[in-house]
Amino acid sequence: DSGVTQTPKHLITATGQRVTLRCSPRSGDLSVYWYQQSLDQGLQFLIQYYNGEERAKGNILERFSAQQFPDLHSELNLSSLELGDSALYFCASSPSVGGDYGYTFGSGTRLTVV
Amino acid sequence: GENVEQHPSTLSVQEGDSAVIKCTYSDSASNYFPWYKQELGKGPQLIIDIRSNVGEKKDQRIAVTLNKTAKHFSLHITETQPEDSAVYFCAASRSNSGYALNFGKGTSLLVTP
Repeated sequence: DSGVTQTPKHLITATGQRVTLRCSPRSGDLSVYWYQQSLDQGLQFLIQYYNGEERAKGNILERFSAQQFPDLHSELNLSSLELGDSALYFCASSPSVGGDYGYTFGSGTRLTVV
Repeated sequence: GENVEQHPSTLSVQEGDSAVIKCTYSDSASNYFPWYKQELGKGPQLIIDIRSNVGEKKDQRIAVTLNKTAKHFSLHITETQPEDSAVYFCAASRSNSGYALNFGKGTSLLVTP
């Protein structure tokens, strides 16, 4: 157990739907990062939050959004889902605003869009 | 943006041999280079990292080297064991991007007994 908790582990939904993925960071970590892992694109950085505020943005689609709450858990919202959104979504946390002490990844949420 | 190339994509070695995985990066401002190991059904796990002010770092059977001039870095695993079998990812990042990681495509390492 890495200390980063992601729920649900698996999610199957239809095209056009909206889902919410949840992440609880490791105790004491203030930064949360979201990554998407697919066979063709590999691991792609989506977005980072630090202590409730957005700090960095990567290749995140406009249909996707995220937030970090006062208790530091984070949610990634995916809407108007397409088949190509099927992927593993990882959350990672780190103690500082920069991740240069290493991230701790959760075990991911596998999203299947049918 | 940063582009990280990783080679080889697959690597098969016999138990006890060494394994080397190489990565190149494009952004000369990158200053942090971690390596992650991902086992089936799990998230990536940090195994070693190096910063741009250091040329080499070692942790037991694992070592990483960095050549800033050539913009490449390598992972060396000595005395490989079957439990080293996994997918290994290199990554590069820079401080003014919040250290958001740019990952290589991964190397699938198989260690056969």
